[in-house]
Amino acid sequence: DAGVIQSPRHEVTEMGQEVTLRCKPISGHDYLFWYRQTMMRGLELLIYFNNNVPIDDSGMPEDRFSAKMPNASFSTLKIQPSEPRDSAVYFCASSADASNYGYTFGSGTRLTVV
Amino acid sequence: AQSVTQLDSQVPVFEEAPVELRCNYSSSVSVYLFWYVQYPNQGLQLLLKYLSGSTLVKGINGFEAEFNKSQTSFHLRKPSVHISDTAEYFCAVSFAGYTDKLIFGTGTRLQVFP
Repeated sequence: DAGVIQSPRHEVTEMGQEVTLRCKPISGHDYLFWYRQTMMRGLELLIYFNNNVPIDDSGMPEDRFSAKMPNASFSTLKIQPSEPRDSAVYFCASSADASNYGYTFGSGTRLTVV
Repeated sequence: AQSVTQLDSQVPVFEEAPVELRCNYSSSVSVYLFWYVQYPNQGLQLLLKYLSGSTLVKGINGFEAEFNKSQTSFHLRKPSVHISDTAEYFCAVSFAGYTDKLIFGTGTRLQVFP
């Protein structure tokens, strides 16, 4: 089991550019979560999916952020246009059953917007 | 309302000293409890979990935690820390009836000095 796979590991982009972060969850996990981590705000839940359907996107900061899960093995988080304040580490996590097993996190994507 | 509190944002200790990282929760329903560890530049890893049964739970790397229902706490302990335990530690809770997701505390930075 390769775990939760995120790409890219690092991303540096200029303000105004579109950024796409990718996540491959663990096979068989029905839940997928996107988190953002910054020094100021800590760990924030942005959105989560169950069986590819978005369940709660109340944490998405603004319309510039969008997330999709076209199938059970792939999800994207897109920021368009990006701004310097979007700089953070973005984590993807997946779970079969949060209450019994918790989450498995990916290694994260460190995004820097200059 | 359900919530998770980690009162200590930072805990400095010397190597080989014991440590306790505090976690309290607020809930009117049953809970499932987790501790995660995040080493520098890595994702979060599950350290241990309490679902039911014995209130003393042992995890990886010599850590243990005790569930105290009357005090609504789930403190993490280690009798003798190593330099390599320097990391961020997150307490997380799943609340019965809301088991889709975990609610994370704000994290405690454990700094072990030689």
